[in-house]
Amino acid sequence: RKEVEQDPGPFNVPEGATVAFNCTYSNSASQSFFWYRQDCRKEPKLLMSVYSSGNEDGRFTAQLNRASQYISLLIRDSKLSDSATYLCVLNTDKLIFGTGTRLQVFP
Amino acid sequence: DAMVIQNPRYQVTQFGKPVTLSCSQTLNHNVMYWYQQKSSQAPKLLFHYYDKDFNNEADTPDNFQSRRPNTSFCFLDIRSPGLGDAAMYLCATSREGGRTSHFGDGTRLSIL
Repeated sequence: RKEVEQDPGPFNVPEGATVAFNCTYSNSASQSFFWYRQDCRKEPKLLMSVYSSGNEDGRFTAQLNRASQYISLLIRDSKLSDSATYLCVLNTDKLIFGTGTRLQVFP
Repeated sequence: DAMVIQNPRYQVTQFGKPVTLSCSQTLNHNVMYWYQQKSSQAPKLLFHYYDKDFNNEADTPDNFQSRRPNTSFCFLDIRSPGLGDAAMYLCATSREGGRTSHFGDGTRLSIL
């Protein structure tokens, strides 16, 4: 089983839609969790950390469910500029990346 | 200001011709990583340094080596590049115990 699994998508959504991604992980000892965003041919950039209590940053909400070993990212009121690949990342003693979920927002 | 700098941004080399990619950082982070990312795939960790301690991933080909002469610089050497080594190579740094990493812009390597 892969350490981190994501639906590769693509998720094609209209502007203004709400979209959610999930990511499952197998290592119950994983300490820290993050969502990174990666634009085509660019480096990954940290989008937000994920806390057990859930956290929100503007239109983005991240949740962690340790019992079921998954994290989620919710994007509300999607913008064209949200089109990118969203990588689920675990931090054990190194960063472990999921394969990413591609989001395409259309007008 | 860029804190993790990779040079060059684009590198073209010939099949079998050694190539070196460089990474420098101004963050004074003690941990540095090299990732390989192929098209539509997640970044794959090749190796990382905790200070001068080198940690090689089990599935990193012998063709790939690294040097870290000081805290600020780290090099990725590919001894005999094959067509399958064409990829984006990402350097990242973090502070030991830190929660996140800072990435450079990457070097896109093409093999002729």
